[in-house]
Amino acid sequence: DTGVSQDPRHKITKRGQNVTFRCDPISEHNRLYWYRQTLGQGPEFLTYFQNEAQLEKSRLLSDRFSAERPKGSFSTLEIQRTEQGDSAMYLCASSLMVGGEKLFFGSGTQLSVL
Amino acid sequence: KQEVTQIPAALSVPEGENLVLNCSFTDSAIYNLQWFRQDPGKGLTSLLLIQSSQREQTSGRLNASLDKSSGRSTLYIAASQPGDSATYLCAVSPPSGTSYGKLTFGQGTILTVHP
Repeated sequence: DTGVSQDPRHKITKRGQNVTFRCDPISEHNRLYWYRQTLGQGPEFLTYFQNEAQLEKSRLLSDRFSAERPKGSFSTLEIQRTEQGDSAMYLCASSLMVGGEKLFFGSGTQLSVL
Repeated sequence: KQEVTQIPAALSVPEGENLVLNCSFTDSAIYNLQWFRQDPGKGLTSLLLIQSSQREQTSGRLNASLDKSSGRSTLYIAASQPGDSATYLCAVSPPSGTSYGKLTFGQGTILTVHP
């Protein structure tokens, strides 16, 4: 399978715990994006990487959130001290920075904070 | 700030009908517009991408049009099938100077096609 992979698919955690999600993009794609989607809404941009450099972060990304893409391949998104408001689907997408930049999305990680 | 609105929020049609989904955006300075499909609990699948210089794109039974000056796009689905049931999302890309992948999405149209 050469698509975007996300792990885990579902995560249930208690308020105050830390969680980490992983995204493996399409191998030749140099850009990687994280989005968050709550029920009944469209996805909202969180942050993106070009290779290993994090180039932009949304104001939605509070200081409890951190994202990395250490070798320009897979990426991790960590949420510290989770809150109930963090419950959402976290989507990863990747693209090749040419030709209109079509995004390819993974299946997402559904986070539930109890 | 760019805002994207999709109408209707939900649509239920019998199999075989042709249908139109609407998307409007407030800032016409976009790089491209994409239509996505999302099945329940799943990620997004790109259906069509229209560059700002284009007027329409077609793929099979799908046709998307773009009128950038009026801030509107439509997605036309011909001869709908129960397998078309999903949420359809419209998203616009900002103009040059930032990442084209930093999309602004609408809230989606939930489509149900019943046999």
